[in-house]
Amino acid sequence: KNQVEQSPQSLIILEGKNCTLQCNYTVSPFSNLRWYKQDTGRGPVSLTIMTFSENTKSNGRYTATLDADTKQSSLHITASQLSDSASYICVVSASSGYALNFGKGTSLLVTP
Amino acid sequence: GAVVSQHPSRVICKSGTSVKIECRSLDFQATTMFWYRQFPKQSLMLMATSNEGSKATYEQGVEKDKFLINHASLTLSTLTVTSAHPEDSSFYICSAPKLLSSYNEQFFGPGTRLTVL
Repeated sequence: KNQVEQSPQSLIILEGKNCTLQCNYTVSPFSNLRWYKQDTGRGPVSLTIMTFSENTKSNGRYTATLDADTKQSSLHITASQLSDSASYICVVSASSGYALNFGKGTSLLVTP
Repeated sequence: GAVVSQHPSRVICKSGTSVKIECRSLDFQATTMFWYRQFPKQSLMLMATSNEGSKATYEQGVEKDKFLINHASLTLSTLTVTSAHPEDSSFYICSAPKLLSSYNEQFFGPGTRLTVL
């Protein structure tokens, strides 16, 4: 069973609207949680990274939250743009090393 | 931010041939690099860990004789798909970690689209 579960699997929203993507994980011990944006046919690009002691982090119109107690994270996108159409991947690291646990991603489509 | 490049960006080859994919860290050194494979609408799957100066570490189910990895220098790792078959067609991505403050940030390459005919 995947240790990182994302929902929804896919999402369609109108340009200008907000949306929230969810990530639940069972990875333990927890080191950090990352959100990546992956455009079709491209490599993932980091949006945010949060450690155990951080519960929110923003990067422009992207705001990530983390509840380490419930092992949940969310990525909130404000005032969506067409260029936000991509796959958003939640990645959890179990240690200070290199091991990464990938979620399957949420495919977001922003329509005019 | 750090940059990781891959070459080629896409390649089409005939079944039975070998294909080499390069992964370079352009502005930092990486003693370790990672190779992933991604099928359509699926998440990245770690194939192997490339170690400079030593043998690569392969994930369970990944054939080391089919996917040859060479970490030639602190900025270059290559993945060679030997005797490629159509089922090897996929999107191959590499990443390299760079230490930022208290954690290792992973920087991903742009990916290589392999199509085996």
